[in-house]
Amino acid sequence: GQQVMQIPQYQHVQEGEDFTTYCNSSTTLSNIQWYKQRPGGHPVFLIQLVKSGEVKKQKRLTFQFGEAKKNSSLHITATQTTDVGTYFCAGRDLGRLYFGRGTQLTVWP
Amino acid sequence: DAGVIQSPRHEVTEMGQEVTLRCKPISGHDYLFWYRQTMMRGLELLIYFNNNVPIDDSGMPEDRFSAKMPNASFSTLKIQPSEPRDSAVYFCASQRGLRAVGELFFGEGSRLTVL
Repeated sequence: GQQVMQIPQYQHVQEGEDFTTYCNSSTTLSNIQWYKQRPGGHPVFLIQLVKSGEVKKQKRLTFQFGEAKKNSSLHITATQTTDVGTYFCAGRDLGRLYFGRGTQLTVWP
Repeated sequence: DAGVIQSPRHEVTEMGQEVTLRCKPISGHDYLFWYRQTMMRGLELLIYFNNNVPIDDSGMPEDRFSAKMPNASFSTLKIQPSEPRDSAVYFCASQRGLRAVGELFFGEGSRLTVL
C-alpha cells in the first residue's frame, strides 16, 4: 500500500545552522503538502506543491517536489528558535492524504 | 472564522467507559477527517466524510470505534468500550473540496487518556 517515508526522525541544530527534511513516496503523488506542528499544538499547513520539479520559497524555507513526483524536501536556511517543531510531509494519492512520520526539529540558542 | 472546533480538549477516563469526541468543521468545508496521533504510529487517518457521508473508514481500528456526521456542522467519534491503547491525541480536520489544491485545517485536538 501507499507509504510516505520521512527522514530524519529527529534533528538537533544550533541556531543559525541549516536544516533539511526529506520525504519519499512508494508511488507517484498528485501533490504534496507540508505542515508544521509546534510542541503541544496541531498541524498547520505550510505549502502545497503540485508540479513536477516545482520549487517554492517562503522566506527562509525552500520546498522542492521531485521530477518523478515521488519525493520532496524542505530546507530551512539559518534556523531560528521559532522554527522548533515537527515538520510533516503529506502526499496525496487517489484522494487520500498520507502523512509521513515527521521530523522533529530542535534548535539550540 | 473560528476554525475547526473540537471538544473536549482533554479527556481522562477508565478502561471500559464510552468516550465521545466532537468536532465542528469550518463552515463551507465539505470534507471532514478524523486523525489519531501517537508517538508509535504518527498521524493516522481514521475516517473521512464528504458532504456528511463516510467515504473511507478503512483506518478505523476496530468495531469499538464509530464516527457519525449528522449534518454539515457536526461530527462525533465514539469509542466504546475504551481501552488504554486508545490513548492518543485525536484531531479533526476539514477541507474545502478534494481537488488538487486543498489544505487541511486541523482543530486543536482532543487528548484522550484511558487508564
